[in-house]
Amino acid sequence: GESVGLHLPTLSVQEGDNSIINCAYSNSASDYFIWYKQESGKGPQFIIDIRSNMDKRQGQRVTVLLNKTVKHLSLQIAATQPGDSAVYFCAENRAAGNKLTFGGGTRVLVKP
Amino acid sequence: ETGVTQTPRHLVMGMTNKKSLKCEQHLGHNAMYWYKQSAKKPLELMFVYNFKEQTENNSVPSRFSPECPNSSHLFLHLHTLQPEDSALYLCASSLAGAVSSYEQYFGPGTRLTVT
Repeated sequence: GESVGLHLPTLSVQEGDNSIINCAYSNSASDYFIWYKQESGKGPQFIIDIRSNMDKRQGQRVTVLLNKTVKHLSLQIAATQPGDSAVYFCAENRAAGNKLTFGGGTRVLVKP
Repeated sequence: ETGVTQTPRHLVMGMTNKKSLKCEQHLGHNAMYWYKQSAKKPLELMFVYNFKEQTENNSVPSRFSPECPNSSHLFLHLHTLQPEDSALYLCASSLAGAVSSYEQYFGPGTRLTVT
């Protein structure tokens, strides 16, 4: 069935380096994508979103890239910091109404 | 985490118990959601309420019973649960009908253990 999936379950990155988290989606009708960060013991926290009429959006130290041709979404974190250690989820809106479908998550571990 | 609050944060219950999870949002939103998060599965949507009306039941067993008395409060009533129901239960809210209505704000979750 259609799903949102993540390529890498765990990503280790050196502090100060850039991180790239990838996500594949299969429904070409999805028109909204969002990245969440979940720290231990907390609920998911919104990071950044992008609509299908865009291919790039930047926030504070984060950039989301959308490649509709290959149905691929990525989150780039610049100058990764220890506080960036968390699980990152991508989600898509692929149905009518206000429902999101979440991917499996990628754990990012920042090494000092 | 003052936007969406959940109580209790931790709950241990036996399979014959009845308990309730509570969620409250202070964001003026009109849509609320229950999700289940277990160790090996992605976030699973359970229920959606829009303007206090249930608009989605994602094939959830009847031992989970949601209640939404108003747009700010959401409950999940639990009875005769199974050990496999042990998970983190997350509540979320959003402003349905707005441009960014897909953006959901999550509470910290209730860690449920069924013994």
